[in-house]
Amino acid sequence: EDQVTQSPEALRLQEGESSSLNCSYTVSGLRGLFWYRQDPGKGPEFLFTLYSAGEEKEKERLKATLTKKESFLHITAPKPEDSATYLCAASQGTSGSRLTFGEGTQLTVNP
Amino acid sequence: GAVVSQHPSRVICKSGTSVKIECRSLDFQATTMFWYRQFPKKSLMLMATSNEGSKATYEQGVEKDKFLINHASLTLSTLTVTSAHPEDSSFYICSATSRKTRADTQYFGPGTRLTVL
Repeated sequence: EDQVTQSPEALRLQEGESSSLNCSYTVSGLRGLFWYRQDPGKGPEFLFTLYSAGEEKEKERLKATLTKKESFLHITAPKPEDSATYLCAASQGTSGSRLTFGEGTQLTVNP
Repeated sequence: GAVVSQHPSRVICKSGTSVKIECRSLDFQATTMFWYRQFPKKSLMLMATSNEGSKATYEQGVEKDKFLINHASLTLSTLTVTSAHPEDSSFYICSATSRKTRADTQYFGPGTRLTVL
């Protein structure tokens, strides 16, 4: 059974304190690994898609990396506006675009 | 690009009534649309997958007769919650995939908060 596990469940950082969020996946024939950001009361906002081990993508203070077993979302010098829940999801080769989601990491950045 | 809208954003209804939620892809043609339900502080739970002109595929445990999905065009899907009850109160989110992106990235709408009194 396909499974996506995120850690930690919650993370509190001080502004400027860099850290990483983890997403471990057990998916046969990974087609894509996705990162989304979700603010309270809103739909998830697309951040990155990673397709193969070794791939990296960056956007402002965020950088996503992928290995054969896990993905990391690195946050460099975070600001309070980076506070949100970050969701990881995986699509499997034969399931089309159907996603298996992790439970998310709730990030709080204090000023 | 890849903007998805939902309407309404909030709806309050009485128990026993039906509620329709619209999901539109504004600037692209959607290969597939998905409907999710999200409980407080929980991740997204897939309810059904729909392709234009086809019957929706429902996830195990989701009542087809309660949650009616119509995918009328490549840019519009609707979810109708029939005979709503308080336990149907939730945050409903749709998403759509575009033929243009590899691995069919899902783009999400802003969500609809349903409260059944």
